[in-house]
Amino acid sequence: NAGVTQTPKFQVLKTGQSMTLQCAQDMNHEYMSWYRQDPGMGLRLIHYSVGAGITDQGEVPNGYNVSRSTTEDFPLRLLSAAPSQTSVYFCATVPNRGALTGELFFGEGSRLTVL
Amino acid sequence: GESVGLHLPTLSVQEGDNSIINCAYSNSASDYFIWYKQESGKGPQFIIDIRSNMDKRQGQRVTVLLNKTVKHLSLQIAATQPGDSAVYFCAALSGGYQKVTFGTGTKLQVIP
Repeated sequence: NAGVTQTPKFQVLKTGQSMTLQCAQDMNHEYMSWYRQDPGMGLRLIHYSVGAGITDQGEVPNGYNVSRSTTEDFPLRLLSAAPSQTSVYFCATVPNRGALTGELFFGEGSRLTVL
Repeated sequence: GESVGLHLPTLSVQEGDNSIINCAYSNSASDYFIWYKQESGKGPQFIIDIRSNMDKRQGQRVTVLLNKTVKHLSLQIAATQPGDSAVYFCAALSGGYQKVTFGTGTKLQVIP
């Protein structure tokens, strides 16, 4: 049981490049989400999904796309990277679809630098 | 909008002493609160949670206190150990994780 697995752990991009951050979970959790963590700021929700085929925007969705074709995977796509997207990204899951309460299980993070 | 803030960016305590980390929130509709611990280079880990209909909840060596009147919660760590060194932050939910606000964190340094 690996929990929440994020790849890559580190990535450097040039402005305008695209890439996908991968998130996979083996806990059969329905709710999956992406956060970014910036110095001096709390975690901010980018996108979330309450189940396969369903996604929605969080607090800071601009510049990011997501899809949820399976319960296990929730990739985050940067279509045209900008220096403002330099951050540490975390994928996190909650067992139940409603995600009203309960523990948020985090991955180890993906550190992205955009030059 | 919601804001969640911590009172001190860094807290240094002697090993064996008790630690108290504070957090203030702004949204009176927040109904669920969580404390997370984040070690350097790792993802946050759940410590303890409390619902808005409670004032206090205890776990192993940790206690969370909630004061809804002044919109304040605190995390108390008993007999602080070197392994407790990390960044601690609170989160306030208003109707679920779709509407969550995380605090900026307090770095706890344990002095041996």
